[in-house]
Amino acid sequence: KNQVEQSPQSLIILEGKNCTLQCNYTVSPFSNLRWYKQDTGRGPVSLTIMTFSENTKSNGRYTATLDADTKQSSLHITASQLSDSASYICVVSSGYSSASKIIFGSGTRLSIRP
Amino acid sequence: GAGVSQSPSNKVTEKGKDVELRCDPISGHTALYWYRQSLGQGLEFLIYFQGNSAPDKSGLPSDRFSAERTGGSVSTLTIQRTQQEDSAVYLCASSLEHQRTDTQYFGPGTRLTVL
Repeated sequence: KNQVEQSPQSLIILEGKNCTLQCNYTVSPFSNLRWYKQDTGRGPVSLTIMTFSENTKSNGRYTATLDADTKQSSLHITASQLSDSASYICVVSSGYSSASKIIFGSGTRLSIRP
Repeated sequence: GAGVSQSPSNKVTEKGKDVELRCDPISGHTALYWYRQSLGQGLEFLIYFQGNSAPDKSGLPSDRFSAERTGGSVSTLTIQRTQQEDSAVYLCASSLEHQRTDTQYFGPGTRLTVL
């Protein structure tokens, strides 16, 4: 069964600290993995997109890694800011044809404290 | 437009009524996606369009759900005979094409409440 699991479910850190969010998946065949940031009451915003051949991608203070062998991804946030408080969602797409499947993780709720 | 827009932003309806949700994608985007986010749950893929055709409808939860897209632009998601479990935020996203690395841009969503 295609699944995407994220950990931790929630995380509280102090402003300025770094943190790492985890995503494990059992999706096959793998197409791509995306990390989204979703503020409360808003639609998700894309942070990174990685395909099979990519193992790291950065977007400002966000760095995503992908290990396609172990089917694990992480999102590292450096020097956190209050505006980083949001839910972070890992999404894995399966298949290569037009009938690809999109499987969402349940997200990690991150709270940054001053 | 500048981004994906959805209407209405909020919809309250009675059980058994039909509802229609609208999505206006970013101009020029050929791929359009519908998702559902139930309270306390993760996002759930419903359907996507490449142009006016829907190659993958497997995420639609029941035959009460249908969607169409005309002119390669606006899409409507229709829910017939709504049930309380249909209450959720319905999100629409668009991308240039349905390619592996195309960014999906999300709209603000429509919050549907079925009483």
